[in-house]
Amino acid sequence: AQSVTQLGSHVSVSEGALVLLRCNYSSSVPPYLFWYVQYPNQGLQLLLKYTTGATLVKGINGFEAEFKKSETSFHLTKPSAHMSDAAEYFCAVRDTYNNNDMRFGAGTRLTVKP
Amino acid sequence: DAGITQSPRHKVTETGTPVTLRCHQTENHRYMYWYRQDPGHGLRLIHYSYGVKDTDKGEVSDGYSVSRSKTEDFLLTLESATSSQTSVYFCATQNHYEQYFGPGTRLTVT
Repeated sequence: AQSVTQLGSHVSVSEGALVLLRCNYSSSVPPYLFWYVQYPNQGLQLLLKYTTGATLVKGINGFEAEFKKSETSFHLTKPSAHMSDAAEYFCAVRDTYNNNDMRFGAGTRLTVKP
Repeated sequence: DAGITQSPRHKVTETGTPVTLRCHQTENHRYMYWYRQDPGHGLRLIHYSYGVKDTDKGEVSDGYSVSRSKTEDFLLTLESATSSQTSVYFCATQNHYEQYFGPGTRLTVT
């Protein structure tokens, strides 16, 4: 089965600084990859996804991620952090043949300092 | 956003009692899921449904059952609640690639 590892359970950046959240996956078949964001006391909201095609995908709120097959990575970046970006972020993987087996990472809590 | 509601949003119950959580969607999505979220574990799949009356087990299904009698409703039942089932429960639906999540139910078993 596929799996996801998010490096760093907590990341802290200053407002205006680069945001980099790391995600590595394991999958025996071509994966679909996702980043979700969760604000306090809310459900998960999709930030962006990779299915096929262009390996650099852009999402909402200025976030983007690059699928690197050789590194089995799907890191999330944003050039300039905003206070409203403070939340928990989850990377997820699903294989292209099994519609019902989505695996989530443990999450990374992003703190943005003024 | 997919229209997904969960009820109740908060519940406190005692060990050994049965508990049912409800998920309702208005998007007519075929696939529905129940997850639990615990610190350090992300989300883990409990059960899922691929149609009315069609359900299957997920990664952490022990102690849980589900039912889906209508496309829009997916029920999760804890047959006899235990303290290890204290968690936040999320319902999700799926359309094409991504999943859409409800607001969650915080369940405390005392």
